[in-house]
Amino acid sequence: AQSVTQLGSHVSVSEGALVLLRCNYSSSVPPYLFWYVQYPNQGLQLLLKYTTGATLVKGINGFEAEFKKSETSFHLTKPSAHMSDAAEYFCAVSPGGYNKLIFGAGTRLAVHP
Amino acid sequence: GAVVSQHPSWVICKSGTSVKIECRSLDFQATTMFWYRQFPKQSLMLMATSNEGSKATYEQGVEKDKFLINHASLTLSTLTVTSAHPEDSSFYICSARIGPLGYNEQFFGPGTRLTVL
Repeated sequence: AQSVTQLGSHVSVSEGALVLLRCNYSSSVPPYLFWYVQYPNQGLQLLLKYTTGATLVKGINGFEAEFKKSETSFHLTKPSAHMSDAAEYFCAVSPGGYNKLIFGAGTRLAVHP
Repeated sequence: GAVVSQHPSWVICKSGTSVKIECRSLDFQATTMFWYRQFPKQSLMLMATSNEGSKATYEQGVEKDKFLINHASLTLSTLTVTSAHPEDSSFYICSARIGPLGYNEQFFGPGTRLTVL
């Protein structure tokens, strides 16, 4: 069965500090991996995705993530947090890239001055 | 490009009534749309996959007679919550799939908050 585990339901960082949101997945077939951001009462916006090829992927707003097959991880990072980064972040896996997206429980990122 | 809209953005209804939520792909044709529900402070749970011109595929545990899905055109899918009850109150989000077969690029709508009194 496919699943996604996001370690830490809440992460708090100072403005300008490194952001690290952790995601581990389980998939019986090569996964497609995604990070989405959700602002209050809004839908999801795609931050970045890994399908095939380069394992370090860059997304919008300065975020990037690295696919590590040996660790079954796809952690999201940003070198310097901004106040506007405060939101809910979801990691998702699509086994083999077909149809279904399976979401993790989400991590709420708080950024304080 | 790849904009998905939902209408209404919020709705309040009385228990026992039915509510219809529309999901539209504004600038592309979506052969597949997905419906999710999200309870407060929780993740998105896939309810059903909607393919244009065919019956929706529901996830285990989702009542198909309660959550009616119609995908009548390549740009419109509707979710009707029939005989709504307070426990159906939730945030409903649709997404539309774009891209060739085998590649999963979903674009999400802004969501519809349903409150059943």
